[in-house]
Amino acid sequence: DVKVTQSSRYLVKRTGEKVFLECVQDMDHENMFWYRQDPGLGLRLIYFSYDVKMKEKGDIPEGYSVSREKKERFSLILESASTNQTSMYLCASSLPRAGNTEAFFGQGTRLTVV
Amino acid sequence: GENVEQHPSTLSVQEGDSAVIKCTYSDSASNYFPWYKQELGKGPQLIIDIRSNVGEKKDQRIAVTLNKTAKHFSLHITETQPEDSAVYFCAPGPGRDDKIIFGKGTRLHILP
Repeated sequence: DVKVTQSSRYLVKRTGEKVFLECVQDMDHENMFWYRQDPGLGLRLIYFSYDVKMKEKGDIPEGYSVSREKKERFSLILESASTNQTSMYLCASSLPRAGNTEAFFGQGTRLTVV
Repeated sequence: GENVEQHPSTLSVQEGDSAVIKCTYSDSASNYFPWYKQELGKGPQLIIDIRSNVGEKKDQRIAVTLNKTAKHFSLHITETQPEDSAVYFCAPGPGRDDKIIFGKGTRLHILP
C-alpha cells in the first residue's frame, strides 16, 4: 500500500520559532509537493521538487523554504514562524509529469503559531 | 498558467439524490482530469479520473464527464449516501512547470 507520511498531525509553535515539517514517501516518486489548506482558499502550492536537491516555487513561497536531500524525504521549513502561517499543511508525491498522474497525499499537519 | 474554477463551493443534497460539481479550466493543453475526495482529518484521495481521449467514465455511483471544447469537466454522484459528505477537488493538468494546481474545493453535505 502506497504511503506518504507526515511527521506530526498537530504542532503548536511560538512566533519567531524555526519550524520543520517532515514528509516521507515510500513509492520512489520523483515529484513531491507542499500545500497549505485554508478555509475558502483550497489547496495552495507552496513549493515542489522534481528531483533530489531540486525545487521550484509554487504560488505562495514567501516565508517558507524546503529541503530535499534524499528522494524519499521533503521538508518544509518556516524560517521564522508567524501567526498568519497557522494552517493545515499537506505533503504529496507523484510520478514524473506530475499534472498527468495521480497525487498521493499525507494525512496533513495542523500547525498553530501562537 | 492554468486557471481552475470549481462550482459550487458548497452543495447540500438530500440522501439518495444526485450531486454534480463542475470544474472549468483555462489551459487547452490539459489532458488529464482527476477528482479528489477529502474526508475529515485526512488528505485528499483520487476517486476518479479521465483522459482527454474519453468523454465519460463511470465507476459505480460516481462518473466524470468531459467537455474539452468548453474546457470543463464534471463530477456526478448518484444515489448519494452519508459517506459521500466530504470536500471534493479537481486538478486538471498537466500544469505549467509540472505543477499540480487544484480548484478551491466543493464541500458536499448529504442531508438525512
